[in-house]
Amino acid sequence: AQTVTQSQPEMSVQEAETVTLSCTYDTSENNYYLFWYKQPPSRQMILVIRQEAYKQQNATENRFSVNFQKAAKSFSLKISDSQLGDTAMYFCAFMKRGSNYQLIWGAGTKLIIKP
Amino acid sequence: EAGVAQSPRYKIIEKRQSVAFWCNPISGHATLYWYQQILGQGPKLLIQFQNNGVVDDSQLPKDRFSAERLKGVDSTLKIQPAKLEDSAVYLCASSILLRGNSPLHFGNGTRLTVT
Repeated sequence: AQTVTQSQPEMSVQEAETVTLSCTYDTSENNYYLFWYKQPPSRQMILVIRQEAYKQQNATENRFSVNFQKAAKSFSLKISDSQLGDTAMYFCAFMKRGSNYQLIWGAGTKLIIKP
Repeated sequence: EAGVAQSPRYKIIEKRQSVAFWCNPISGHATLYWYQQILGQGPKLLIQFQNNGVVDDSQLPKDRFSAERLKGVDSTLKIQPAKLEDSAVYLCASSILLRGNSPLHFGNGTRLTVT
């Protein structure tokens, strides 16, 4: 069975700093997707970034980028020039390709951006 | 486009009472999901619909939980009777297709407190 581990329950940084959130996963699958979702106090889950395992290039979305290390089964999220609006819970999730969108979620990291 | 709509936003009930949650997905989205998110954890999939058919309900506690998606559009999740451990946020999500390159769109969730 697949598992997703986020080892940092909580992190805080100053506004404009760069922060990296860690995620590791365990799977025997070769074809899968990895996701980072953001959940602000409004409770709505918002997709931040997605990585397809067969792509070697790390995904980037504006200030958000990932460091995908397939052999190490690591999928960290880097937030550059952090903003107060980035304060939220961040969840890492795994999905086996062809699995009817069965997401396996980590426990989340609470990120606080301080002014 | 309008997002995924959920109601109510909050609900407080006593144990052994019943409760129902409503979800209206984004127009045209064939796939609908109900998740349970207990405080401090990632979401857990309860049930997944494709149109008005059930794709997966393996983690739905069927002795007390039920869900339907009549006409393949909006959906209702019911708990009867509720237990203390049902206290959680219930998230609804939808996607166009049942594939990893079709992103999930989440609603704002319903926070249920069982006393």
